[in-house]
Amino acid sequence: QKEVEQNSGPLSVPEGAIASLNCTYSDRGSQSFFWYRQYSGKSPELIMFIYSNGDKEDGRFTAQLNKASQYVSLLIRDSQPSDSATYLCAVFSSGSARQLTFGSGTQLTVLP
Amino acid sequence: GAVVSQHPSRVICKSGTSVKIECRSLDFQATTMFWYRQFPKKSLMLMATSNEGSKATYEQGVEKDKFLINHASLTLSTLTVTSAHPEDSSFYICSANKRTGNPYEQYFGPGTRLTVT
Repeated sequence: QKEVEQNSGPLSVPEGAIASLNCTYSDRGSQSFFWYRQYSGKSPELIMFIYSNGDKEDGRFTAQLNKASQYVSLLIRDSQPSDSATYLCAVFSSGSARQLTFGSGTQLTVLP
Repeated sequence: GAVVSQHPSRVICKSGTSVKIECRSLDFQATTMFWYRQFPKKSLMLMATSNEGSKATYEQGVEKDKFLINHASLTLSTLTVTSAHPEDSSFYICSANKRTGNPYEQYFGPGTRLTVT
């Protein structure tokens, strides 16, 4: 069974700090990796995606992928209270189903 | 852009009745649409995958006769919860792949909150 694991948190960081969110996955055939942000009562919104090993930066967000370790992370620099949300890691499974497998999410709180 | 809408955003129904939820891709054609269910403080659980013009593929444990999915066009998929019960109360979210573009990227609708009394 393909699994995506995240620490559920809650993770609290002070405003301006770096928030680090981690995710591991079990399917070595996974091809692409996504981070979604979900505010309470809302649907997920895509923050970043990464396909290749290494780092990918977009503004205050950096995604890191290590396929050998089956590990993907999201760093949020200069965290703001508006970043407080649940962050979902999602992995695109191999095969023709085009399915995303989601982790359980990490709840992040940025303290003013 | 890639906008997906859902209707209704909230619905309350009585136990035993049926509820239809619509998912539309507003500015693109969707090859595939996905239906998820999310219980409070839980992650998204894929219920089924639907391709335009063909039968939906349901995930293990999801009753296809209870959750009817119709994907009649490249811009519309519907989920009907038949004979709803209180345990079906949940947040239902659809997503769509663009017909053109990256097949890995899904665009999510705003979700439908279903409450069965």
